[in-house]
Amino acid sequence: KNEVEQSPQNLTAQEGEFITINCSYSVGISALHWLQQHPGGGIVSLFMLSSGKKKHGRLIATINIQEKHSSLHITASHPRDSAVYICAVSRPGGGADGLTFGKGTHLIIQP
Amino acid sequence: KAGVTQTPRYLIKTRGQQVTLSCSPISGHRSVSWYQQTPGQGLQFLFEYFSETQRNKGNFPGRFSGRQFSNSRSEMNVSTLELGDSALYLCASGRGGAEAFFGQGTRLTVV
Repeated sequence: KNEVEQSPQNLTAQEGEFITINCSYSVGISALHWLQQHPGGGIVSLFMLSSGKKKHGRLIATINIQEKHSSLHITASHPRDSAVYICAVSRPGGGADGLTFGKGTHLIIQP
Repeated sequence: KAGVTQTPRYLIKTRGQQVTLSCSPISGHRSVSWYQQTPGQGLQFLFEYFSETQRNKGNFPGRFSGRQFSNSRSEMNVSTLELGDSALYLCASGRGGAEAFFGQGTRLTVV
């Protein structure tokens, strides 16, 4: 079983819909990251969370440490949100070393 | 402030050759981590350097090596290239904690 599981693997939605991507992990962590990857490769760090909730524009990330679960929400989705969204966890001890990644959620927003 | 810069962006090499990839971190960042991304295995941690010292290493063969210079720039080297080394190689920089800022990646094709 992977240490970081994401669901769904693929998601197609219509423009304007509310999107939720889930991430569950089975190891102790110091932080959880949500990353965005567009075709062409580069990865953008969206959020780093160790507790609670963060919001940036139309993106909201939450984490429940007790349940070892995090969600990424996109409100008023737009075709430019189409990308792969990756959940990753940092182990205790810190460092970008040893980030463990989920397999990613491939999101397509249709106009 | 400039982001993480990886060079070259694309590279084609022949089996058996060696290759060196470069990563310039964000100014002030002392941690550089390297990751390999393949369609089959997803994102996997290679190694992390902090202040010129390798702090952690992933589960890759000894053909994969790296180093970090006093200006925090890092290089990774792959010797005796195999077809399976074809991948997107990403580096991430940080201040040494859990944060990670990723570069655009170097896409290596081994033929």
